[in-house]
Amino acid sequence: AQSVTQLGSHVSVSEGALVLLRCNYSSSVPPYLFWYVQYPNQGLQLLLKYTTGATLVKGINGFEAEFKKSETSFHLTKPSAHMSDAAEYFCAVSGGGTSYGKLTFGQGTILTVHP
Amino acid sequence: GAVVSQHPSWVICKSGTSVKIECRSLDFQATTMFWYRQFPKQSLMLMATSNEGSKATYEQGVEKDKFLINHASLTLSTLTVTSAHPEDSSFYICSGPGTGGLAGVKEQYFGPGTRLTVT
Repeated sequence: AQSVTQLGSHVSVSEGALVLLRCNYSSSVPPYLFWYVQYPNQGLQLLLKYTTGATLVKGINGFEAEFKKSETSFHLTKPSAHMSDAAEYFCAVSGGGTSYGKLTFGQGTILTVHP
Repeated sequence: GAVVSQHPSWVICKSGTSVKIECRSLDFQATTMFWYRQFPKQSLMLMATSNEGSKATYEQGVEKDKFLINHASLTLSTLTVTSAHPEDSSFYICSGPGTGGLAGVKEQYFGPGTRLTVT
């Protein structure tokens, strides 16, 4: 069984400030971890993913996330927020292999960026 | 990236009627597609796996006779909500694995979703 918890349903930052969106997971098997972004009226878009190997993964638009097994976390960060980053972000986990597409999502975090 | 479309984008229907939602992969073929449901202010929940050429597999607690899934071709999966009730009102999203990446680690591409309101 797997679950994902995103701490904070809303996060507000100023333009140029650090973005930190928190994600903790539980999984009975080695997890594959994902961050997706959803803009209004659009489908989910993959930001980045961790499957195996390097624990610090870089994604699109300057985002990165670090897999910390000991903390069961996969927090998403961006050094400097841009107005275009305002969207809803979802953390997700899957069991990999044939279960790869079967994602368990967190509740989502709405990111607001102030000028 | 690959594109997945859904039709309609929103639909309102009366209680007791059936509604069909289409999910199409526009530039790739998918033997498997996934259907999710998202209630307001809640997370996406996997409902079922749509399999081309065979029966769909449903997650625990999802009524297969109520949510009929047909994977008609390698580019089309449909979800039919039968005898809809107000509690079925939700946001339905499909996804399909693209062609890139290693087997078992293919990226999922999501449709924009279909908003269903049952009155």
